[in-house]
Amino acid sequence: EPEVTQTPSHQVTQMGQEVILRCVPISNHLYFYWYRQILGQKVEFLVSFYNNEISEKSEIFDDQFSVERPDGSNFTLKIRSTKLEDSAMYFCASSQISGANVLTFGAGSRLTVL
Amino acid sequence: KNEVEQSPQNLTAQEGEFITINCSYSVGISALHWLQQHPGGGIVSLFMLSSGKKKHGRLIATINIQEKHSSLHITASHPRDSAVYICAVRRGAQKLVFGQGTRLTINP
Repeated sequence: EPEVTQTPSHQVTQMGQEVILRCVPISNHLYFYWYRQILGQKVEFLVSFYNNEISEKSEIFDDQFSVERPDGSNFTLKIRSTKLEDSAMYFCASSQISGANVLTFGAGSRLTVL
Repeated sequence: KNEVEQSPQNLTAQEGEFITINCSYSVGISALHWLQQHPGGGIVSLFMLSSGKKKHGRLIATINIQEKHSSLHITASHPRDSAVYICAVRRGAQKLVFGQGTRLTINP
């Protein structure tokens, strides 16, 4: 069964460092998403991406965050200067059509900022 | 007040019991998702509903748009059903708003 693949599974970084989280969505999917889940809290929407541009973003997704699809297969989330409160599990997801369709999630990337 | 409220927050039951998890939302939506989060953290999409009822194996999901309420039922529950079940509603074009989850434990 097709999977969404995320790397790394766990990253530890120092406050102020840049982090890039990578995702390989399912090949025939057109919509891509990033979500985050701070430990013990609910999942939160960060951003959706379609046709090489952001289609929607939340208030969490400020100037410190950016997304990119650099090579037609990878979908990346960059955090420019990490803060302690960025520590969370970050989930990538993709769907074949818009968000009304079933989402396929990756296993998540755990980010720990020290 | 949260836009999406789930109840109960925690549910423990014996194997074989019929399980119901409820989700109420306070805003207009275009679709509602039920998700399962495993103890390791991975999330699996179970259902996407915009009206009526859907069934997949032992899982049944219903939604009442007028009452802004959805339920997830599990028949003949099994210990492998133990997980966190999350309701999420679609607002806007793509944005999902998530409930806090219901932690289900099925004892053998």
